Amino acid sequence: QKEVEQNSGPLSVPEGAIASLNCTYSDRGSQSFFWYRQYSGKSPELIMSIYSNGDKEDGRFTAQLNKASQYVSLLIRDSQPSDSATYLCAVIVGSARQLTFGSGTQLTVLP
Amino acid sequence: GAVVSQHPSRVICKSGTSVKIECRSLDFQATTMFWYRQFPKKSLMLMATSNEGSKATYEQGVEKDKFLINHASLTLSTLTVTSAHPEDSSFYICSCQRQSNEKLFFGSGTQLSVL
Repeated sequence: QKEVEQNSGPLSVPEGAIASLNCTYSDRGSQSFFWYRQYSGKSPELIMSIYSNGDKEDGRFTAQLNKASQYVSLLIRDSQPSDSATYLCAVIVGSARQLTFGSGTQLTVLP
Repeated sequence: GAVVSQHPSRVICKSGTSVKIECRSLDFQATTMFWYRQFPKKSLMLMATSNEGSKATYEQGVEKDKFLINHASLTLSTLTVTSAHPEDSSFYICSCQRQSNEKLFFGSGTQLSVL
């Protein structure tokens, strides 16, 4: 089992819709969770970080964490074509406290 | 503005040459710096973790003699790809972390093309 798993997609949503991205992790002791966005040919940029159960909202983005079920999700409201990118879930895992990335979900927002 | 500066952004070199990539933390002292490699349409693969003043910790399968990492100060780490070959062509990205469990700040990446 991979430490951090994401559906690779591609995920397509129409402009204005809600995009839902999901991620599961294997280390039950993980405490820190991040969502990064990466455009093609560019390095990742941090969108959200979340450390406790529940929802965290920042503008059009909402991160949801459920430690009991070991999943973290990212909702993008009012999706825009400019949101089209690969979204990487990252979790700090293991005794080495290493940031481990999922394989990424490619999102396309159709105008 | 950029928190982490990485350069060069693009390198094209002949097979057998060595390439040095620099990563600088601009706004804070980075206790830990990470080097990643990313192939097209693939996720980030951690190559090594470096802490200032100590030897880097390499991930399994990464040759430490081929990918030399120097973390001379709390704000500078370098990755040298020695005797580069076409299969080393990839997107190399550095990142910095102020403290453990904190988010990473990424450099802009270096696209290496070995002819």
